[in-house]
Formats: sequence, structure tokens, C-alpha cells
Amino acid sequence: GQQVMQIPQYQHVQEGEDFTTYCNSSTTLSNIQWYKQRPGGHPVFLIQLVKSGEVKKQKRLTFQFGEAKKNSSLHITATQTTDVGTYFCAGNLRQGGADGLTFGKGTHLIIQP
Amino acid sequence: GAGVSQSPRYKVAKRGQDVALRCDPISGHVSLFWYQQALGQGPEFLTYFQNEAQLDKSGLPSDRFFAERPEGSVSTLKIQRTQQEDSAVYLCASSLYTGTGMIAGELFFGEGSRLTVL
Repeated sequence: GQQVMQIPQYQHVQEGEDFTTYCNSSTTLSNIQWYKQRPGGHPVFLIQLVKSGEVKKQKRLTFQFGEAKKNSSLHITATQTTDVGTYFCAGNLRQGGADGLTFGKGTHLIIQP
Repeated sequence: GAGVSQSPRYKVAKRGQDVALRCDPISGHVSLFWYQQALGQGPEFLTYFQNEAQLDKSGLPSDRFFAERPEGSVSTLKIQRTQQEDSAVYLCASSLYTGTGMIAGELFFGEGSRLTVL
């Protein structure tokens, strides 16, 4: 089974509100990636975090990697209707390995105009 | 091609039939992955190739599932004697990852093959 947990499973927000999704792993991750999947589409890469405590920003999106490299978060400021979709975190569970990323179940973001 | 190409996009099979799903990765990408995504769930890892070598097949759910990449480019995922629980979207992804010691990078996904088993 999956060893990367994401919460919440669903998040309803009003347009303009902020949104955060959290990702936790049962084991230390060598790196973590975030993907976005629009309804009916395929996962699209957003970012990769490698270093302990790393924080990266992409416009309204802020990504964090925990100090212990077991958790991560994605925060979206002032959501827009274009942010609708499912956000997945995915981690490599073995150091430097290409064991195939283990994906979380995702957080479905629903935006009410 | 410009991206990862998968075919067929949709496949309906009767229970017990064999199916073959094709993936054409981005040219030059060494690594190729197959994932299974059930409705409303995250992608579940099936298998990984580095060139023609299948380095990890730990995610294949049963011996009815078989994948190959004989020339290190196009890959085929074959499912024998399909069952209803095999219904899912099968995603193929490729990347520039070339081996141990390198941090695995971005996965480029295809549009997927949606399999429905009746």
C-alpha cells in the first residue's frame, strides 16, 4: 500500500481564499515532488524539493520540505478557478533510488466562485 | 515526439480477454515508468525500466501483468485474462533519470490508457 499520506482528501474553498495540502511519509524521503492533475488530465510536474527544510515559491504557490524530510506542504495564496484539480505529492522512499515515485492519494481542490 | 504518447486512449475488454497498452516515451529518456490510477486515487507504481532493463517490477499486482521495453524505447504493458478489478487508467511516464547517484527528476506523463473490463 501507499506509504505517503495526504490530507485533506477534499478541500472546498471560495475563490480568493488560501489553500494548503499536507503530505506525510512513514519513512525519510530522499526528495519529494508535487504534481497537479486537472479533471480528465494527467499529472503534471510542479516542483521537486531535495534539501531538508527547503522552501520554494512559484508565484502564488509555496512548497515546503520538512526538516526531517518526512513531510511537505503546498500552500496556494488567493486561489483562482484555474487552480482547480488534484494535487499529489510523491516521494522516493529509497536514497537516490528510482524505485518509482510513491504517490499520495491527492487532495482534490474545489473552488466555488 | 514532443511528449509521451500512449495508445489506445480507451479500451473496453470483456473479462478474460488479453490487452496490450503501448507507451512511446520522450526521445532520449532513459527511464520509463508504468502506473495504475483507479478513479479518485493517486497513481500506483507498477514497474520501472532503465533503457531495456526492467529494474523494478514490484508493483505489478499479479503474474497476469507483464511489461517489456525490448529496444529501450517503446514499452508495452500486457494484461492477460483481464478481470474487472483491472479497470483503471494506466499511465506511462518517462524521465531523464539515468541511474543511482542521481536525484530522480521530473516525470513526464502520457495521457493514459483508460481500460474498462466488463
